[in-house]
Amino acid sequence: EAGVVQSPRYKIIEKKQPVAFWCNPISGHNTLYWYLQNLGQGPELLIRYENEEAVDDSQLPKDRFSAERLKGVDSTLKIQPAELGDSAVYLCASSLTSGSMNEQFFGPGTRLTVL
Amino acid sequence: QKEVEQNSGPLSVPEGAIASLNCTYSDRGSQSFFWYRQYSGKSPELIMFIYSNGDKEDGRFTAQLNKASQYVSLLIRDSQPSDSATYLCAVNRETGGYNKLIFGAGTRLAVHP
Repeated sequence: EAGVVQSPRYKIIEKKQPVAFWCNPISGHNTLYWYLQNLGQGPELLIRYENEEAVDDSQLPKDRFSAERLKGVDSTLKIQPAELGDSAVYLCASSLTSGSMNEQFFGPGTRLTVL
Repeated sequence: QKEVEQNSGPLSVPEGAIASLNCTYSDRGSQSFFWYRQYSGKSPELIMFIYSNGDKEDGRFTAQLNKASQYVSLLIRDSQPSDSATYLCAVNRETGGYNKLIFGAGTRLAVHP
């Protein structure tokens, strides 16, 4: 069974440029998460989807970040415009449901560098 | 105070020893607790989770939970150099009917031959 797929793996852009990340969760997983991980820190949730509905986006900086999961399968996270402080690893994860015991499976992440 | 606190380490142990990783949390209502391992440059992977007070064993790993003290730990027996990684403690918090994982910053473990 394929794991969570993310692309690109690495991205280098100049500040003020737009950038987009793509995630394909494990087949059959209804819940999809986008996390941000800074160096030396744990992942921080940006947004969670239950199928195509964003049910927790309280930590998403909505002035520059947007996300979508139109058909309830793959998802795109966008930053426009990017700032220097956005340099981090963006992790996508998925789980069967959002129950308290549900294991979240993480993708390999996209390492973003903003110059 | 951070919601989930871990000693950043590095925790250095010799091969074959027991590594003890600790985590405290602030939300008394938290019900489930997870330990993830993250190798350098890789994504987190689940080792085990626990939700009842006491010990839970899985192979060389034992998770311990004490809800009264708001403390959860991970013991790794017979530590191997391949166990060298960052161990992330995550606590489940229920928000608005949904569950959210809050991660600590992780403890870096170094197992030396």
